[in-house]
Amino acid sequence: KAGVTQTPRYLIKTRGQQVTLSCSPISGHRSVSWYQQTPGQGLQFLFEYFSETQRNKGNFPGRFSGRQFSNSRSEMNVSTLELGDSALYLCASSPGTAISYEQYFGPGTRLTVT
Amino acid sequence: GNSVTQMEGPVTLSEEAFLTINCTYTATGYPSLFWYVQYPGEGLQLLLKATKADDKGSNKGFEATYRKETTSFHLEKGSVQVSDSAVYFCALNYPGGTDKLIFGTGTRLQVFP
Repeated sequence: KAGVTQTPRYLIKTRGQQVTLSCSPISGHRSVSWYQQTPGQGLQFLFEYFSETQRNKGNFPGRFSGRQFSNSRSEMNVSTLELGDSALYLCASSPGTAISYEQYFGPGTRLTVT
Repeated sequence: GNSVTQMEGPVTLSEEAFLTINCTYTATGYPSLFWYVQYPGEGLQLLLKATKADDKGSNKGFEATYRKETTSFHLEKGSVQVSDSAVYFCALNYPGGTDKLIFGTGTRLQVFP
């Protein structure tokens, strides 16, 4: 089975721009979660989508948004980029059922904001 | 609120040494506990998990026991290899209704030959 894929792997943007990151989950997985990883704040939960609905949300400003499509693929968008948004953005997928505990992570998208 | 605390790194060991990375948690109820590993330039890989008190998770020579009385989930390995050099994250979540993981800050392990 193919793993979680994220595109692009690397991205350089300028302050004020917006960016869209994509995540394709493992086939059959219905839950997709997004995390931001920075040296200062570590791994922080952004949001989770299950069957096209946002199921949970972390403490990030409204500039961070996401969505999930009917094929479970997910995108996250960051508008009006700030220097502090430079981070590794990780996506994870799981079956999403009540008894599923394991999440599988993609390799991440490294975003650099200049 | 719920949180995970890990020992500060880096942890530096010689090959074949014994490894312990401490992890304690603060949470209500009965969370599931995990150890994830991140190799340079990669995403996170699940190393092991435990879903209830006294469960022992194990994988690739690593072990961790879910201790509810001490709210701990320490990672151990009897004999580390250079290839174990990575960053290790302890995490918890509450299964059922959400996949949100709460992570510790990570502990970098460096193993020298």
